[in-house]
Amino acid sequence: AQSVTQLGSHVSVSEGALVLLRCNYSSSVPPYLFWYVQYPNQGLQLLLKYTSAATLVKGINGFEAEFKKSETSFHLTKPSAHMSDAAEYFCAVSHQGAQKLVFGQGTRLTINP
Amino acid sequence: KAGVTQTPRYLIKTRGQQVTLSCSPISGHRSVSWYQQTPGQGLQFLFEYFSETQRNKGNFPGRFSGRQFSNSRSEMNVSTLELGDSALYLCASSLSAGGVDTQYFGPGTRLTVL
Repeated sequence: AQSVTQLGSHVSVSEGALVLLRCNYSSSVPPYLFWYVQYPNQGLQLLLKYTSAATLVKGINGFEAEFKKSETSFHLTKPSAHMSDAAEYFCAVSHQGAQKLVFGQGTRLTINP
Repeated sequence: KAGVTQTPRYLIKTRGQQVTLSCSPISGHRSVSWYQQTPGQGLQFLFEYFSETQRNKGNFPGRFSGRQFSNSRSEMNVSTLELGDSALYLCASSLSAGGVDTQYFGPGTRLTVL
């Protein structure tokens, strides 16, 4: 079975500060890992995905994430937060041959001016 | 290229009724997955269809069903609605059934059960 734990249901940072959203996964098979963002009243938009190539993955809007197998983590970072980054962020896991995404509970990111 | 579209965007139903939601995938995508999003349970996988066949199913009661047509469009049906079925229902499409393929999500259908 696969599962995802996102540490912190709510993260608040100042504009221009580092954004760090934490994600730990559990998987009995090599995982594929994803970060999605959801703006109010919208669907999910893919930020980035890890598919066993490079462990440091760069995504859209300046976000990146690093796959650390030893720590079973896939934390999302952005060096400098913008007001437009305020949204809910979801980490998800799947595996080869499956189209079922298992999501974490989500982290709501608030940006303070 | 047009994105995933879902209709209707909003629905209000009463307990005991049934509802059908529709999803049109991105052109060329053959896999369609459905998810339920609620404040309490978060995002949960309902089922996935590929080439008109259900390939994967989540842990939902039989009241939740779906189908896929030859043009890859998909519908999901919920019968005998309960208050707890109030949720945002998201549809996602991808090129194939491979785990590497990115799922592209539609805007969702918000169902309210009174």
